[in-house]
Amino acid sequence: LAKTTQPISMDSYEGQEVNITCSHNNIATNDYITWYQQFPSQGPRFIIQGYKTKVTNEVASLFIPADRKSSTLSLPRVSLSDTAVYYCLATEGVRDDKIIFGKGTRLHILP
Amino acid sequence: GAGVSQSPRYKVAKRGQDVALRCDPISGHVSLFWYQQALGQGPEFLTYFQNEAQLDKSGLPSDRFFAERPEGSVSTLKIQRTQQEDSAVYLCASSPGPTNEKLFFGSGTQLSVL
Repeated sequence: LAKTTQPISMDSYEGQEVNITCSHNNIATNDYITWYQQFPSQGPRFIIQGYKTKVTNEVASLFIPADRKSSTLSLPRVSLSDTAVYYCLATEGVRDDKIIFGKGTRLHILP
Repeated sequence: GAGVSQSPRYKVAKRGQDVALRCDPISGHVSLFWYQQALGQGPEFLTYFQNEAQLDKSGLPSDRFFAERPEGSVSTLKIQRTQQEDSAVYLCASSPGPTNEKLFFGSGTQLSVL
């Protein structure tokens, strides 16, 4: 299982675009990159998943360069409600018996 | 139900008591995971089921922890002779199939051992 490294915390302001970078130097060929969001007193919530290049949904964009050794979660025009912990995971696309979470990035949005 | 349901939401136990935590996954979901989350930390894997089969229990901290999913739906995590270090939030997640690319989590059970 590829280990991921991400910043412990980040601050930003309402209306800004926030980019959270995740390193995964030993990512395997079958691994996908998946991001989850967790609010206090709730379980994590799936945000986005990608294998390479760019994926976009209604919540975020995910950029994965050709070498796949890192990825960037982009949150456009954040609001106070985006304050949460964001987890980057490398998960095998075919099957994964054990999905491992790291410590995540605590994102704090300021007014 | 619409999502993963866990009960109780909060549990206070005296040290040495046994506790049972319940997880109702989304109907039809094949895979079920249990995680333990300490304050300020990420979720730590405990165990994983595919239908009724427990395929991985390598994350269970000790033999006081036991999980089951006898009919491939509802799961119970049991902790015997609770200790203070067992205090944490216990999260349950399910996913539709054996390819676990997207987990749906419950809100967790917060266990406090006094």
